[in-house]
Amino acid sequence: NAGVTQTPKFRILKIGQSMTLQCAQDMNHNYMYWYRQDPGMGLKLIYYSVGAGITDKGEVPNGYNVSRSTTEDFPLRLELAAPSQTSVYFCASSWEGYEQYFGPGTRLTVT
Amino acid sequence: KNEVEQSPQNLTAQEGEFITINCSYSVGISALHWLQQHPGGGIVSLFMLSSGKKKHGRLIATINIQEKHSSLHITASHPRDSAVYICAVKEGGSNYKLTFGKGTLLTVNP
Repeated sequence: NAGVTQTPKFRILKIGQSMTLQCAQDMNHNYMYWYRQDPGMGLKLIYYSVGAGITDKGEVPNGYNVSRSTTEDFPLRLELAAPSQTSVYFCASSWEGYEQYFGPGTRLTVT
Repeated sequence: KNEVEQSPQNLTAQEGEFITINCSYSVGISALHWLQQHPGGGIVSLFMLSSGKKKHGRLIATINIQEKHSSLHITASHPRDSAVYICAVKEGGSNYKLTFGKGTLLTVNP
């Protein structure tokens, strides 16, 4: 099993550009999550999904969108990138609310 | 909103020392997670516990629900244990929402 995979690993965006961060898991987990990690701060939940077709906002959803058309994939869309979105983004998955498995992260810089 | 505090923020130890990292939280929870993050690396779940104590190799996690406190112990520490250790709590009534501490940076010198 590959576990949770994320692409790309690194990305530099100009202000106003858009991009999609990809996340996939092969563990048949129903729950998936997107977090951001800023220096010196705890992880913050952006969006989560409890199954295909069902998504909901987390703590810091502004500037982001998600979709969940399959169990495996949970892409995160950034529209009109802003410097405040410079961060490390982690995708995670779990079976129900149990142990979460994290992807390797995407380091995004917006300049 | 649950407040999760970890102490210390930074910890430097010599190889072989016994390490303790603490986590306290303000509101009752259904479970507590300990996670490990190596520099520039991903995040790995070490333990999920709701009561008592769990042990895995040289790592031991304990939780005291009444005192709203958990500890992560590392016995016979090794340089490869150098990482950020993160505490996260799941509030009662939520099946998904974790509130994370800011992490403790552990450096173990040979």
